[in-house]
Amino acid sequence: DSGVTQTPKHLITATGQRVTLRCSPRSGDLSVYWYQQSLDQGLQFLIQYYNGEERAKGNILERFSAQQFPDLHSELNLSSLELGDSALYFCASSTRGSGHNEQFFGPGTRLTVL
Amino acid sequence: GDSVTQMEGPVTLSEEAFLTINCTYTATGYPSLFWYVQYPGEGLQLLLKATKADDKGSNKGFEATYRKETTSFHLEKGSVQVSDSAVYFCALSRWNNNDMRFGAGTRLTVKP
Repeated sequence: DSGVTQTPKHLITATGQRVTLRCSPRSGDLSVYWYQQSLDQGLQFLIQYYNGEERAKGNILERFSAQQFPDLHSELNLSSLELGDSALYFCASSTRGSGHNEQFFGPGTRLTVL
Repeated sequence: GDSVTQMEGPVTLSEEAFLTINCTYTATGYPSLFWYVQYPGEGLQLLLKATKADDKGSNKGFEATYRKETTSFHLEKGSVQVSDSAVYFCALSRWNNNDMRFGAGTRLTVKP
């Protein structure tokens, strides 16, 4: 158990809909990262937050957005969903926002768009 | 930009066989290097890491040595078990970068 929690574990929805994925980092970790894992594109970094502020952006679509709240939990919002958005979404946390610190991953949310 | 290249899988071995999964990287400066493992239906778990050249990371019988001259961080285990069946990811991070770059992953299947 990494100490990172994600809800829900599974999510099934239809094209055009909007969903919210939630992540709680390990106690004491200030940084949260979101990743998308799909069969054809592997593990892709989406976005990072550090202590409530956006720190880095990766391959995140404009239809996706995220935020980190004062209690440090984070939410990833996916809107106007398409079939290709079906994937595993992982959240990870780390102590600091940069540097040689490892990331601890949650169990993931499996999103299926029908 | 920074990148990680792993040997393509899948890799299938018999129990007690020797394992090597190759990983090479491209990065400026001095990255830290990691191996993560993903068991079926689970998230990624840190397996081992090395933060500077010639460091050897080790855990659960797995080892990897940070080779700056060959920009490599190959994962090895002397005798694999069925329970080692998983997907293995090589990754790097740089001191002033905030995202971790992952390789494509190598699926290992160990047969009894």
